[in-house]
Amino acid sequence: EAQVTQNPRYLITVTGKKLTVTCSQNMNHEYMSWYRQDPGLGLRQIYYSMNVEVTDKGDVPEGYKVSRKEKRNFPLILESPSPNQTSLYFCASSPPPTGTDEQFFGPGTRLTVL
Amino acid sequence: RKEVEQDPGPFNVPEGATVAFNCTYSNSASQSFFWYRQDCRKEPKLLMSVYSSGNEDGRFTAQLNRASQYISLLIRDSKLSDSATYLCVVTSWENDYKLSFGAGTTVTVRA
Repeated sequence: EAQVTQNPRYLITVTGKKLTVTCSQNMNHEYMSWYRQDPGLGLRQIYYSMNVEVTDKGDVPEGYKVSRKEKRNFPLILESPSPNQTSLYFCASSPPPTGTDEQFFGPGTRLTVL
Repeated sequence: RKEVEQDPGPFNVPEGATVAFNCTYSNSASQSFFWYRQDCRKEPKLLMSVYSSGNEDGRFTAQLNRASQYISLLIRDSKLSDSATYLCVVTSWENDYKLSFGAGTTVTVRA
């Protein structure tokens, strides 16, 4: 089954404790991205990757890191989480973007930082 | 000004009614337009692309007005299962490929 998986699905942590949210896709997609969704703000792009070893900042990259060592995986790293990073996070993938391609989203990770 | 703006609603409509709402975008260089559906904080899923000539998919009709920089979605003969949040997505290629999401319009269909 073609899918994007994220782990964990739910996480409660404390300020300053490093965490990683994994994202994996099995569709051989080049383009992957991370979004956070907050009430009233919609989805905002954190980082994206056009291909292996190529990553770029989105609209809200502060406090986050990513890596793309393999095509299928695109982990999101919070080195020192803070309460303002409490949010719903989605990973997405698609073929090389042409403007007509569907974004496939993972099921989301609900993160709470105390 | 936000790049993509939507009326958050909610639009509360009875079954069988028609409901329509718009999404405005600020970047005149925007190239592609989509409507996604999101159920109760689950992942967004593509509902339909929006083409310049307008397009239909069953009970759903999407229109694009480049001059006024908005897209619209119309749902005919609403079903209970249409209750969801509808996200407007706009893409552009300037310095790089960029997707911009609206905050969503919530539709609730009541029996």
